[in-house]
Amino acid sequence: GAGVSQSPSNKVTEKGKDVELRCDPISGHTALYWYRQSLGQGLEFLIYFQGNSAPDKSGLPSDRFSAERTGGSVSTLTIQRTQQEDSAVYLCASSLSAGLGYNEQFFGPGTRLTVL
Amino acid sequence: QKEVEQNSGPLSVPEGAIASLNCTYSDRGSQSFFWYRQYSGKSPELIMFIYSNGDKEDGRFTAQLNKASQYVSLLIRDSQPSDSATYLCAARDNYGQNFVFGPGTRLSVLP
Repeated sequence: GAGVSQSPSNKVTEKGKDVELRCDPISGHTALYWYRQSLGQGLEFLIYFQGNSAPDKSGLPSDRFSAERTGGSVSTLTIQRTQQEDSAVYLCASSLSAGLGYNEQFFGPGTRLTVL
Repeated sequence: QKEVEQNSGPLSVPEGAIASLNCTYSDRGSQSFFWYRQYSGKSPELIMFIYSNGDKEDGRFTAQLNKASQYVSLLIRDSQPSDSATYLCAARDNYGQNFVFGPGTRLSVLP
């Protein structure tokens, strides 16, 4: 596709359930990022993948959050035992190889997660 | 800890005026700087990036970088109501690969 895609666009779940959010980056982009944005707030970094390197997980808020990237392309963010405070928009972004620092990030449309 | 600071606003300017958005960063290793615009309910979209000291102009937008002062700004000339959005500043070094975003400044251009 021409841009970063994410699915689902909206997800409503009950507290305690697990959810999976998917991100399909731009073809050829080796770097992939997950962010969380609560209503009216800035971007909260969650996790970053670069090629085959070990991901930077420093932003994951708890061990209920995990992410994987299969084949260097599609990524899945999993939230286990969801809590109401997990409600937010989850944004995925991708960029070309980080060899050049000015490679910009392209953002997907986001997944709006609501935990009841 | 690497930080990027912005005034959260809201910054209100009349239509046709110059809007000035400011950003400071803590990591002297930061080399590239990005301004993103985010409309309410939408994803961020890139406006400009800058990595050399001085000014960079693109249409109505001018980015300014002063690495000695660790300061980045975005000027929007002839502001339009359609420029009303949140503007996010981000910094990146050439080695860490990750982006550090500021909290964003909400701009309101009044008709």
